[in-house]
Amino acid sequence: QQQVKQSPQSLIVQKGGISIINCAYENTAFDYFPWYQQFPGKGPALLIAIRPDVSEKKEGRFTISFNKSAKQFSLHIMDSQPGDSATYFCAASIAAGNKLTFGGGTRVLVKP
Amino acid sequence: DAEITQSPRHKITETGRQVTLACHQTWNHNNMFWYRQDLGHGLRLIHYSYGVQDTNKGEVSDGYSVSRSNTEDLPLTLESAASSQTSVYFCASRPGLASDTQYFGPGTRLTVL
Repeated sequence: QQQVKQSPQSLIVQKGGISIINCAYENTAFDYFPWYQQFPGKGPALLIAIRPDVSEKKEGRFTISFNKSAKQFSLHIMDSQPGDSATYFCAASIAAGNKLTFGGGTRVLVKP
Repeated sequence: DAEITQSPRHKITETGRQVTLACHQTWNHNNMFWYRQDLGHGLRLIHYSYGVQDTNKGEVSDGYSVSRSNTEDLPLTLESAASSQTSVYFCASRPGLASDTQYFGPGTRLTVL
């Protein structure tokens, strides 16, 4: 049973465009929702995270939107750059820092 | 600089052999985790530890074991390697209450023939 479903599996966007990745979760006990960025041959690294008491969090060009009633959250990458080409994973946990449940990942390619 | 390392980075083994993957962190983090990464499945939790002598099973723990004899290390052992265990393995650590962030190692690519 996949508790966190992520879509799309891959995404191609032009430089300067907006990348949008969506995740849906099932367990209403989840209360911490991080996004991780992974470059080829490297381990994932935390990009941005949100808790369910806010509907949106922005850090630079990256924004998380959170819809508690729909049990969905999404990552928006504004003004996408070739350096943003990577695999992005959404995740969820019960209490921040505890064991994470990951989505299946989205491979993003930003074309120059 | 403090860091988290994994060794070996690449390993090829045969079915039925015992394999141990090492994970070492110099941050003195209490919480450590092992994940496997497979295409389409994201990362799945194998085992985790919240401190010395503490170990817990994750969602895909069958065929794997861990031990935590000190704060810095959490080795992952495949008791009898199977082809289904061919994967990329990531170790992660977290400071505990001081931070929400899990920090990942560079990964070990394991191939079981």
